Amino acid sequence: DAMVIQNPRYQVTQFGKPVTLSCSQTLNHNVMYWYQQKSSQAPKLLFHYYDKDFNNEADTPDNFQSRRPNTSFCFLDIRSPGLGDAAMYLCATSRDAGDYEQYFGPGTRLTVT
Amino acid sequence: KNQVEQSPQSLIILEGKNCTLQCNYTVSPFSNLRWYKQDTGRGPVSLTIMTFSENTKSNGRYTATLDADTKQSSLHITASQLSDSASYICARTALIFGKGTTLSVSS
Repeated sequence: DAMVIQNPRYQVTQFGKPVTLSCSQTLNHNVMYWYQQKSSQAPKLLFHYYDKDFNNEADTPDNFQSRRPNTSFCFLDIRSPGLGDAAMYLCATSRDAGDYEQYFGPGTRLTVT
Repeated sequence: KNQVEQSPQSLIILEGKNCTLQCNYTVSPFSNLRWYKQDTGRGPVSLTIMTFSENTKSNGRYTATLDADTKQSSLHITASQLSDSASYICARTALIFGKGTTLSVSS
């Protein structure tokens, strides 16, 4: 089945230790998104790629970076995780930009110790 | 700033009962409005997407309504099941999500 896959599902990292979260998709969608979701909060868009074009939200901390080496894969890099970065990180895709339906992955739960 | 507000924050109902969740939004111009179901520890799954020209849209036991004049949407769940226990999120575009309503269905 076509889908959005996130690895790992659970990630524990130490304070200040860089961590990379992975997302892959078999939908061949142009757009890939990264969201941060904390408990009982709305998903917060960090950035998205439209094809190779990177779009950063204005309030996304510099500590968060992303890479999209090809259509299928997108990575979220947290350069120096703080305790406040503990959250669920959601990857999503859509066929195109604008009002197209989004397809979400299962998420990666990040714990910072 | 565009906002999406949902109510109630949480809801408990008995299995088999119906319920309605509310979403108010402030946005102009309006494009589409989405409802998602998010199980605990999982990513959101799309239930419905409604354009401004649609008043109602159904997906099985889920029916979403939209009043573009009052900027209100509702999600009605019919004959609830235990598996409906989840967070239901209203969203406009990829950027603007509500905090969700947590629904608990008990037997």
